[in-house]
Amino acid sequence: GENVEQHPSTLSVQEGDSAVIKCTYSDSASNYFPWYKQELGKGPQLIIDIRSNVGEKKDQRIAVTLNKTAKHFSLHITETQPEDSAVYFCAANPRAGAGSYQLTFGKGTKLSVIP
Amino acid sequence: KAGVTQTPRYLIKTRGQQVTLSCSPISGHRSVSWYQQTPGQGLQFLFEYFSETQRNKGNFPGRFSGRQFSNSRSEMNVSTLELGDSALYLCASSSGTSGKNIQYFGAGTRLSVL
Repeated sequence: GENVEQHPSTLSVQEGDSAVIKCTYSDSASNYFPWYKQELGKGPQLIIDIRSNVGEKKDQRIAVTLNKTAKHFSLHITETQPEDSAVYFCAANPRAGAGSYQLTFGKGTKLSVIP
Repeated sequence: KAGVTQTPRYLIKTRGQQVTLSCSPISGHRSVSWYQQTPGQGLQFLFEYFSETQRNKGNFPGRFSGRQFSNSRSEMNVSTLELGDSALYLCASSSGTSGKNIQYFGAGTRLSVL
């Protein structure tokens, strides 16, 4: 089955700096890669996603890149703010095109933005 | 539009008991997935229901089961509870249409097994 590795497990940045979180996946059939943000006491919230036919996607201060050959995808947050502090999860879906909703998640990255 | 609603938010049970958790998806969504979140194993897929049928299943023992009703609401049941079942159980809903795989999560039910 699919295996998703996520690094780093913790990340501290100064407010205004950039943060980068990296994930690798094992199943070359994976074609949908969402990123979720989870705040304390809440469920994961989708912040951005990318499909395998796209190499990069951006939404304001958040961007995701995908390298299918290397099976890597990364989350980039620019101009970080204290409210960006949370746990971020990457995920992969190996059968998204077949109507499957079975996500395999990374272990998460706890991001702390220091004011 | 209301989000995904999970009830109850917190549960305390003892070993050997059984528990039922409920999930109401976003209006119009027909797919409901369940996940278990623990500090050690992270987020793990339990199963997914679409139009009252289980469509996908993760690697969990048969003590974990679920069902979906005609209004797309779903329940998850865990029988013969073990200490290791203590976790946050998350429900996610999706439209269920192929090509639109976005899953929206509820706040979860925190289950503690004593």
